[in-house]
Amino acid sequence: DGGITQSPKYLFRKEGQNVTLSCEQNLNHDAMYWYRQDPGQGLRLIYYSQIVNDFQKGDIAEGYSVSREKKESFPLTVTSAQKNPTAFYLCASSRGTERNYGYTFGSGTRLTVV
Amino acid sequence: KQEVTQIPAALSVPEGENLVLNCSFTDSAIYNLQWFRQDPGKGLTSLLLIQSSQREQTSGRLNASLDKSSGRSTLYIAASQPGDSATYLCAVRYSTLTFGKGTMLLVSP
Repeated sequence: DGGITQSPKYLFRKEGQNVTLSCEQNLNHDAMYWYRQDPGQGLRLIYYSQIVNDFQKGDIAEGYSVSREKKESFPLTVTSAQKNPTAFYLCASSRGTERNYGYTFGSGTRLTVV
Repeated sequence: KQEVTQIPAALSVPEGENLVLNCSFTDSAIYNLQWFRQDPGKGLTSLLLIQSSQREQTSGRLNASLDKSSGRSTLYIAASQPGDSATYLCAVRYSTLTFGKGTMLLVSP
């Protein structure tokens, strides 16, 4: 079955460390997105990519970095510059760059700073 | 600023009731609107996608309506069941998807 795979499901980070969250899709979707979810808040967009080797900042990009070397993969690195990284991170994709397509989401990665 | 608001924030109903969840958005220049379901600690499952040119979409016991001019959408759930208990998220597509904070639904047996 086609879908989005996020790994790991749970991730623990020490202060000052960089960590990378994986997102892989086999839907042949062109666009991919990273969102952050905090209790009591809506999902907030971190980064998105509409094509390989290109990506744009979302609303809360500071302290994060991404790459898009392959169509299927869009990893997110949470750097030590992100002051409050504990959150639930969700990856999504959509079929094309046309804005009438819906989004498909992965199952998420919960990141905790220890 | 493009904002999406969902009312109520939480809702508790007995099994079998029909219910309506509300979503409003400030900028009516949308491409589409998508309703999602989220179970605790899980990802988002898409329920219904309504294009800006459509008035409603139906899937089983779910019906979503869209009034773009007034900036409103409703999700109607018929004959609610305990398995419907989850958080329901409304998301509006502008250049990207903008989310409301969700309605937490509890259906009691």
